[in-house]
Amino acid sequence: GESVGLHLPTLSVQEGDNSIINCAYSNSASDYFIWYKQESGKGPQFIIDIRSNMDKRQGQRVTVLLNKTVKHLSLQIAATQPGDSAVYFCAENDYKLSFGAGTTVTVRA
Amino acid sequence: DGGITQSPKYLFRKEGQNVTLSCEQNLNHDAMYWYRQDPGQGLRLIYYSQIVNDFQKGDIAEGYSVSREKKESFPLTVTSAQKNPTAFYLCASSTAAYNEQFFGPGTRLTVL
Repeated sequence: GESVGLHLPTLSVQEGDNSIINCAYSNSASDYFIWYKQESGKGPQFIIDIRSNMDKRQGQRVTVLLNKTVKHLSLQIAATQPGDSAVYFCAENDYKLSFGAGTTVTVRA
Repeated sequence: DGGITQSPKYLFRKEGQNVTLSCEQNLNHDAMYWYRQDPGQGLRLIYYSQIVNDFQKGDIAEGYSVSREKKESFPLTVTSAQKNPTAFYLCASSTAAYNEQFFGPGTRLTVL
């Protein structure tokens, strides 16, 4: 079965606001996580990753937070733009990627 | 340009026919993967290969076959034994297992 999952299937956000996408995982031994963005009809694109020896990592307009105590990670997108509309997946990376169903983010103008 | 290519983008086949999906990468990656994605769902692993001439079954390998004769190529054959082959197929590669995977653009297979 799935080892990772996302909390909400959809998220609607006003342009310019911050977005927070949540993800829970079940394997406490997991030590590497990746967030991917997938636009309609395309392959997933790497956004940011984090290893279990960190609890926060920042990229350009994105931040990933990892809480190992409750086995939860989140992706924060600052100043959400229309181009951020996509499906977002968190994935646990072992020898394979275990994905949840994804959260569809829709940005309102 | 470096990257992963999949061809064709759209593929239509009649029920009962085998079909082979192409995946090529020029990233010099050792590991390659095939995933299947159904509408509204995440990715499920079909097969993976960590090195040339070696591959392992993933979670849903039944009805599929692969080969890894060259480092840059990892073709997937969808056989007539696959009961529900219509799906979006994604190929990925990584420098090695346990590293970030890079995805191709996908092939949408429709079996009529």
